[in-house]
Amino acid sequence: NAGVTQTPKFQVLKTGQSMTLQCAQDMNHNSMYWYRQDPGMGLRLIYYSASEGTTDKGEVPNGYNVSRLNKREFSLRLESAAPSQTSVYFCASWDSLSYGYTFGSGTRLTVV
Amino acid sequence: RKEVEQDPGPFNVPEGATVAFNCTYSNSASQSFFWYRQDCRKEPKLLMSVYSSGNEDGRFTAQLNRASQYISLLIRDSKLSDSATYLCVVNMGNNFNKFYFGSGTKLNVKP
Repeated sequence: NAGVTQTPKFQVLKTGQSMTLQCAQDMNHNSMYWYRQDPGMGLRLIYYSASEGTTDKGEVPNGYNVSRLNKREFSLRLESAAPSQTSVYFCASWDSLSYGYTFGSGTRLTVV
Repeated sequence: RKEVEQDPGPFNVPEGATVAFNCTYSNSASQSFFWYRQDCRKEPKLLMSVYSSGNEDGRFTAQLNRASQYISLLIRDSKLSDSATYLCVVNMGNNFNKFYFGSGTKLNVKP
């Protein structure tokens, strides 16, 4: 099925460990995004990529890095995980035709 | 002040009821507005865009009030399947690549 695929779905990290969240879309969308969602808060933008080869910071970029590997793939890296990064992470791509986001199913990350 | 604010609810309504949610936004330059639906432990999904003239999609009606800087969502004849959290989404001023999400309004439709 066409859409946005995120891996992994669940992850537990120890403080200080690093990991990369993977995201791929097969809809030929130019723009891709990483959000985090915490209880009682809306989704907050971490980083986005308006097109292949470009990335920009969102509201909460500290502690994260991103790579737009090609048009399909946009990865999020935590270099040194902290408990404050415990959250649900969503990748999304932007559809200029329907003028809306398509989200992946999310990654539930716990940092202990 | 949050960029986008919503009443978290929950709104508990019986089947068949009409329910309305409001969402206020702080940036008067915002141009694009949406309602998303999020089921428990799932990803958000686009419900509808909100146009200046208001728009309707079946039982759902969305309105925009630029003067007071709020958008609304009206759900008529509520169904059990409408139970979800409804997220208000607004673009960041003149930047159409970045959007603010409200924290959501939870709706519970009871039999």
